[in-house]
Formats: sequence, structure tokens, C-alpha cells
Amino acid sequence: DGGITQSPKYLFRKEGQNVTLSCEQNLNHDAMYWYRQDPGQGLRLIYYSQIVNDFQKGDIAEGYSVSREKKESFPLTVTSAQKNPTAFYLCASSIGNWGGAFNRYSNQPQHFGDGTRLSIL
Amino acid sequence: DAKTTQPNSMESNEEEPVHLPCNHSTISGTDYIHWYRQLPSQGPEYVIHGLTSNVNNRMASLAIAEDRKSSTLILHRATLRDAAVYYCILRDERSSGSARQLTFGSGTQLTVLP
Repeated sequence: DGGITQSPKYLFRKEGQNVTLSCEQNLNHDAMYWYRQDPGQGLRLIYYSQIVNDFQKGDIAEGYSVSREKKESFPLTVTSAQKNPTAFYLCASSIGNWGGAFNRYSNQPQHFGDGTRLSIL
Repeated sequence: DAKTTQPNSMESNEEEPVHLPCNHSTISGTDYIHWYRQLPSQGPEYVIHGLTSNVNNRMASLAIAEDRKSSTLILHRATLRDAAVYYCILRDERSSGSARQLTFGSGTQLTVLP
């Protein structure tokens, strides 16, 4: 079955350490996203990518980095510069969504992975 | 994106219909209404979306008011597995060309009682 796989499910970070969260999809989607969710709150966008070798900052990109070398993969690195990294991280993908107004792809649903819960040691 | 308002929580009995309301009084003509749900410790799951007409799929129905200022997600027979946080989200069709993020509010926590 097609879907999105995030790993690991749980991750612990030490002070000053960078950690990388994996996100892989086999849905042949062009667009991929990383969100952060804090307890009792909605999702906030960290980074997104419309196509391979391209990505853009979301609302809370500071302290994070991404790469998009392959269509199916969009790993997120939480760097030591992110001072409050404890959260639930969600990766999503969707059919590509670009072009002018009234793009017929602009309302394609996003498919989410099951998340990675990151905690500080 | 325009804002939506949902009740913080609702309860339903198992095997009964559930009507989850959403108000969006500032909706624009090009805003689609999307619903997602999130089970505990899982990623959000797409449920349904629509523009003006009522919509049905295997998971739920979406009833949209004639003036589009409100909508209702209908689960026809609630099961224990439907207990989740349900999010009502507006997405403007007039995408600028950038990938469209989803703006989640706090949603409605649905409790299903056996």
C-alpha cells in the first residue's frame, strides 16, 4: 500500500546534538511538508518542498534544515540552534500544487505519516 | 486563510450519528472547506472537502450551508475508532503557486461513548 513512513517513532536529543528525522513516501507526490505539533495545539509549518532540489521555509524554520535530493525523501534535521525541540513532528505529502490561480490541484488533500516524537535528554 | 470556529469538545454514543459543526463567517468565494481528523499519537487523516454542494464519501458527509458561512461534518454511525480531534480548515483555491500548507486550529475533540 502507498503511504508515508516516518522514522524513528521516538527520538531523544542530547544538548548540542543535531538529529535527523526521516520521511519517505511512495505515493509519487511532488510536494512534501514538515509540521511541528505542540501539546494541545494545531500544526505549524516548518519547511515545505514543491519539487526535487527545491524547498522553502515555513512559519517556524529557525533551528531546522531540510534537503530534497530524491522525490520520495524529505529528511528534517533538528539542529542544536533549535532551543525548544521537544514536540511531535509530522511529515506530509500531496500532489504537486503550483501554477496560477484556480489551479485544479490546489485543493488536493495532504497525506500524513504517523509522526516522530522528539524529546530532550 | 479565513478563520474557522469549532466547539472544543463533543460527545456521542456509539452507533449514533454525529454532527460536528464549523463556523466560517468570513469565508471567501474561492475557499474550499476541508476536514481532517487526528487520532491520539497519529498524524492527521484527510476526511472530506467541498466547495458549495454537499459531499459524501465512505468516511463521512459534508453539509454546507447555502450562504457557506457554516458547515457540518456528519458521521453516520459513530464507532469507538472515530474518537479523535476533528479539524475544519479553509483553503483558498487561488494558490499563489507555493505549496499550500494546512492551517490547523484547535479542532473539536470527539468522545464516543460505548
